Amino acid sequence: NAGVTQTPKFRILKIGQSMTLQCTQDMNHNYMYWYRQDPGMGLKLIYYSVGAGITDKGEVPNGYNVSRSTTEDFPLRLELAAPSQTSVYFCASSSSSYNEQFFGPGTRLTVL
Amino acid sequence: AQTVTQSQPEMSVQEAETVTLSCTYDTSENNYYLFWYKQPPSRQMILVIRQEAYKQQNATENRFSVNFQKAAKSFSLKISDSQLGDTAMYFCAFMKPNTGNQFYFGTGTSLTVIP
Repeated sequence: NAGVTQTPKFRILKIGQSMTLQCTQDMNHNYMYWYRQDPGMGLKLIYYSVGAGITDKGEVPNGYNVSRSTTEDFPLRLELAAPSQTSVYFCASSSSSYNEQFFGPGTRLTVL
Repeated sequence: AQTVTQSQPEMSVQEAETVTLSCTYDTSENNYYLFWYKQPPSRQMILVIRQEAYKQQNATENRFSVNFQKAAKSFSLKISDSQLGDTAMYFCAFMKPNTGNQFYFGTGTSLTVIP
């Protein structure tokens, strides 16, 4: 049971480039989330999804897009990378009936 | 939006001693959940303990226990018999059910266990 997996683990982007952070869970959870963690800070919610085809903005959605075509996958898209998006990104999932969130290992992204 | 405050950026404790990490939150909700997550240097977020607001009894998990004061909106974590492996960042989190179960995290407390 892999839980929540994220790829890549590390990435360096140039300003203006785009990329997709991948997230997959194999626990059949209907809820999925994307967070960013800046140095010395807690996690802030970017986007979340309560099921396939349904997404909604969190606290800091600007500069990001998401999609949820399947229960398992919840990719996060950065269209025009900016230095302010340098952060560690975490994907998480949970069941609607059990409130714990299970986290992936994170992706460290640097925008130069 | 809910706010979660952890007022201790850094703490240290001697091995085998007891330490308490503080957390306060602000909400007008009556039904919610509170969590403590641990983030070791590996960066993996690990659930330590959870508390349902409707339960008066404080949650315990082995060496970890909470002091939940609903009226004061306080949710502290006590670690007994501290071990070197407890060295990590600890995050307090608030969750209001039925809004996609969104979590709101505090800024964390960095705990160092000294041998």
